[in-house]
Amino acid sequence: DAKTTQPPSMDCAEGRAANLPCNHSTISGNEYVYWYRQIHSQGPQYIIHGLKNNETNEMASLIITEDRKSSTLILPHATLRDTAVYYCIAHSPFASGGSYIPTFGRGTSLIVHP
Amino acid sequence: DTGVSQDPRHKITKRGQNVTFRCDPISEHNRLYWYRQTLGQGPEFLTYFQNEAQLEKSRLLSDRFSAERPKGSFSTLEIQRTEQGDSAMYLCASSTGRATNEKLFFGSGTQLSVL
Repeated sequence: DAKTTQPPSMDCAEGRAANLPCNHSTISGNEYVYWYRQIHSQGPQYIIHGLKNNETNEMASLIITEDRKSSTLILPHATLRDTAVYYCIAHSPFASGGSYIPTFGRGTSLIVHP
Repeated sequence: DTGVSQDPRHKITKRGQNVTFRCDPISEHNRLYWYRQTLGQGPEFLTYFQNEAQLEKSRLLSDRFSAERPKGSFSTLEIQRTEQGDSAMYLCASSTGRATNEKLFFGSGTQLSVL
């Protein structure tokens, strides 16, 4: 799996957009970018994923650069309940070389304040 | 509720005792993962099953750890002769294994405290 790099922490005002960046410069062609978040004392929760096109669902939007070396998760109107650790991983279940395990880094701790 | 359940939610044990955790994945999911998480760290991969076959194990998984997934359904993770360093959250996740949609569904985890 490609290594991802995220800032350790960010903060955002409630009601504003939260833009969480992720670098994955060594991503391979068949690896998708996945985002998860983890609220204290719970398991990680899937948010969104994409390959090269921008994606949007009811939780967030995912913007992937044209060269696929970085992406941004956008929470359009952050609420206090969005305070969590956000993980970006690059993964393919069928990556060549046998390394196809979803690998988590330390993520970005997002604090949404009133 | 993701549909993945783990039991127990909390376990307190004394050093040297054996413990066993259970994970029930989403029924149609053929992949099952075990992760371990300590405070301030992301989940660390331990082992992975494709149906009943254990296909990969991390170097973190010492010979005191063993995992099974009989008949490709639920899975158990056993730790023998527990040590204080085993204290962590143990997370289970399942997935369909589809190339275009390998999203993981995590359980709430088992918090292990070794005294």
